[in-house]
Amino acid sequence: GQSLEQPSEVTAVEGAIVQINCTYQTSGFYGLSWYQQHDGGAPTFLSYNALDGLEETGRFSSFLSRSDSYGYLLLQELQMKDSASYFCAVRGTGTASKLTFGTGTRLQVTL
Amino acid sequence: DVKVTQSSRYLVKRTGEKVFLECVQDMDHENMFWYRQDPGLGLRLIYFSYDVKMKEKGDIPEGYSVSREKKERFSLILESASTNQTSMYLCASTRRGQGGNEQFFGPGTRLTVL
Repeated sequence: GQSLEQPSEVTAVEGAIVQINCTYQTSGFYGLSWYQQHDGGAPTFLSYNALDGLEETGRFSSFLSRSDSYGYLLLQELQMKDSASYFCAVRGTGTASKLTFGTGTRLQVTL
Repeated sequence: DVKVTQSSRYLVKRTGEKVFLECVQDMDHENMFWYRQDPGLGLRLIYFSYDVKMKEKGDIPEGYSVSREKKERFSLILESASTNQTSMYLCASTRRGQGGNEQFFGPGTRLTVL
């Protein structure tokens, strides 16, 4: 099976940089994804890493180290609208692009 | 604009009722998923389907069943609703293979079982 660990809450100031870590244990690994979910909204896809290294998409970057079973999401130039929950998710090697999600990190951006 | 829709945003049912939650996607995706989301537990996979009439159990299938008669539609059925099934239910879809890295979610159905 799969299990993932991420911090439950993070607080940061507007304009700052924040890193949300995710460690995983898995019996079959294809890649690590990150999703954002605002209160009352649906999760939306942010990034996907299949290989080691950093993937950058605008203010957001995601990193993966397969040997360490570890990844992180880096948010730069934080804005108030970034206040949301962030989930890491492991894509397994079985059928159907099945994901196993972490329990989520609630990010609060303050002035 | 790609879209996953769910039949209801809010639903209130009584214990023992049979409940149907419907999900429709317009992206011609092969794979569809049902999750439930509870505070502190993240999203947990109930069932998924990789083709019409094909289904597989997820991590918490007990008390649920599913139906996929058409490619665009995936239904979740609570055979006899119980109060511990009060939750937010999210449907998602994705393409098969390499294109399946991104799951597209519906807006969710908040189900309350009294």
